[in-house]
Amino acid sequence: KNQVEQSPQSLIILEGKNCTLQCNYTVSPFSNLRWYKQDTGRGPVSLTIMTFSENTKSNGRYTATLDADTKQSSLHITASQLSDSASYICVVSAEGNNRLAFGKGNQVVVIP
Amino acid sequence: NAGVTQTPKFQVLKTGQSMTLQCAQDMNHEYMSWYRQDPGMGLRLIHYSVGAGITDQGEVPNGYNVSRSTTEDFPLRLLSAAPSQTSVYFCASSYSRDATYGYTFGSGTRLTVV
Repeated sequence: KNQVEQSPQSLIILEGKNCTLQCNYTVSPFSNLRWYKQDTGRGPVSLTIMTFSENTKSNGRYTATLDADTKQSSLHITASQLSDSASYICVVSAEGNNRLAFGKGNQVVVIP
Repeated sequence: NAGVTQTPKFQVLKTGQSMTLQCAQDMNHEYMSWYRQDPGMGLRLIHYSVGAGITDQGEVPNGYNVSRSTTEDFPLRLLSAAPSQTSVYFCASSYSRDATYGYTFGSGTRLTVV
């Protein structure tokens, strides 16, 4: 069973609207959680990182939240733009371990 | 620009052929790794290295070899290509193995084995 589950698998939103992506994980002991954005044909690029003590982190129109008790994270995109069309990947790192657990990604398509 | 450079961007191989995917970084990162990305699946770790001269296997190492003779370079070799190795390959690097500083990914190599 995958240690990182993301939902929804894909979604289509209208330009200017908001959306929220979900990430549930079972990785333990938890070290940090990152959200990456992957444009089509490109490598993933880090958006945010959160450690155990952080519950909110923003990067422009992207806001990530973390609930370490329930092992859930979300990525909220505000006022979506066409350039937000991408796959958003949740990546969780275990403490003392160089291995990362990758989610399968949320595929977001923003339409005019 | 500093970053991770992968070559080639696209490659088509016949079954049984061998080839090397190149990866170079200029950020003096100690940790480097190779992933493959397949439709409907998350990135999967093939091999990784925590420094020059040190390599180890990831979760899907079969059919691939790596070496790390310098800090900058981490090539991935396919010994005898198989159709199951059709995938997009990403090289990533980081300051540390625990990924506290995040990973910098290359732009990928799209490999098709026919």
